[in-house]
Amino acid sequence: AQSVAQPEDQVNVAEGNPLTVKCTYSVSGNPYLFWYVQYPNRGLQFLLKYITGDNLVKGSYGFEAEFNKSQTSFHLKKPSALVSDSALYFCAVARRTGANNLFFGTGTRLTVIP
Amino acid sequence: DVKVTQSSRYLVKRTGEKVFLECVQDMDHENMFWYRQDPGLGLRLIYFSYDVKMKEKGDIPEGYSVSREKKERFSLILESASTNQTSMYLCASSLLNSGNTIYFGEGSWLTVV
Repeated sequence: AQSVAQPEDQVNVAEGNPLTVKCTYSVSGNPYLFWYVQYPNRGLQFLLKYITGDNLVKGSYGFEAEFNKSQTSFHLKKPSALVSDSALYFCAVARRTGANNLFFGTGTRLTVIP
Repeated sequence: DVKVTQSSRYLVKRTGEKVFLECVQDMDHENMFWYRQDPGLGLRLIYFSYDVKMKEKGDIPEGYSVSREKKERFSLILESASTNQTSMYLCASSLLNSGNTIYFGEGSWLTVV
């Protein structure tokens, strides 16, 4: 079975400071890993994904994430947070075989404080 | 840009009513999905479809059915709405194989009273 854990329901960070949103996963075999962002009353927007290759993945809006196989983690990071980054962030995992079906974490609400 | 359009953003229905949620995508994607989003539970897959007239149950199919008569359109049906189906429903689409990005619509807020 596959699962995703986002251990923090809420992350607060001051504007201009670096931010990290944590994600760990459990899946048989090598995973595909995704981050999505959701702004209020909107659908999910794709930020970035890890498929293969370089463990550091760069995505939209200055976000990046690092795949760590030994720690089964895929933490989302940004060097300098903006107030506009305040949103709900979802990590998701997919198996490499079979249907293209994502399993999502429960989400982390990021608040950037001016 | 990929566009996934959910025709109804906000609906209020009565218990026992039959509810249709419609979704259309314009990128010729093979896969289409219906998720349900609830606070503290994240997104849970209700049904998905990888081809016209094909459907697969997700994690929480009870109380729901789906229809995919055309490639671009995927409908979610609540045969007899109940209050515990009050939720945000998200439609999504993607190319067939695992690893392809899944694109989401704006969501449909359903309240069952």
